[in-house]
Amino acid sequence: GAVVSQHPSWVICKSGTSVKIECRSLDFQATTMFWYRQFPKQSLMLMATSNEGSKATYEQGVEKDKFLINHASLTLSTLTVTSAHPEDSSFYICSASDNNQPQHFGDGTRLSIL
Amino acid sequence: GENVEQHPSTLSVQEGDSAVIKCTYSDSASNYFPWYKQELGKRPQLIIDIRSNVGEKKDQRIAVTLNKTAKHFSLHITETQPEDSAVYFCAASKSGGGADGLTFGKGTHLIIQP
Repeated sequence: GAVVSQHPSWVICKSGTSVKIECRSLDFQATTMFWYRQFPKQSLMLMATSNEGSKATYEQGVEKDKFLINHASLTLSTLTVTSAHPEDSSFYICSASDNNQPQHFGDGTRLSIL
Repeated sequence: GENVEQHPSTLSVQEGDSAVIKCTYSDSASNYFPWYKQELGKRPQLIIDIRSNVGEKKDQRIAVTLNKTAKHFSLHITETQPEDSAVYFCAASKSGGGADGLTFGKGTHLIIQP
C-alpha cells in the first residue's frame, strides 16, 4: 500500500519552457502533499506544502510565481516550473500523506534545462 | 525553523560490522523522526521512524534511539550487508509527518566493504 506515482521521471527542455510535474497517490487519499528539491549529492529541501483545495504554503526563498502548485483533488498535486532556466535543473520529488501517516515519496523527476 | 545536523557524511564499515549514524535537531517542538534510505537516482524509502514518546524502536537489524533532552537521535544497523550500501537521511517534523514537511539532515553515504 501507500504508493505514490510521479510523472514524468525525466525531462529535458530548453531554457524558458514551462514544465509540469504530476504527483498522484494511487491507493490512498492524500490530505497533504509535499514538494522537495534535491541537487546532486545534497539533501532534500522542502519547497512547499500542498493541501487539497487550498493555496500551497511555500518555504522561505521559494518563489511561488515560479513554482506553481495545484492540488485539485485528494489524489493529485501538480508542480509547474515556469520559464525554467538552467539553475532550476534538479531532482524534484513529491511526497504524500494522509493525516498522521508517514510520508511516502514518488520516484522523482529529473529536470534538465538546456 | 528546524535545523537537523547529521554525522558522519561518509561511513565505511566491514560487512558484518555495525554502523551508527547520528543526528541532532534544534526545535524542541519536533516530535517525529524518520530515517530514509536512498539509492542513487531513486526515491527515499522509509526504513524506520520514532515518535517523541518513545526512546527506542527496533526492526530486525535496524534500531533507532531518541534522546529528547539532548535533542539527538541515532540509527543503528547491525550485521551490515552489501545491500545496506546507500545514502541515509534523518529527518524531523512537528507532526507525524502528515501535516508538516520534513527537515532533512545532509545525508550519510554508507559503504559496506566486502
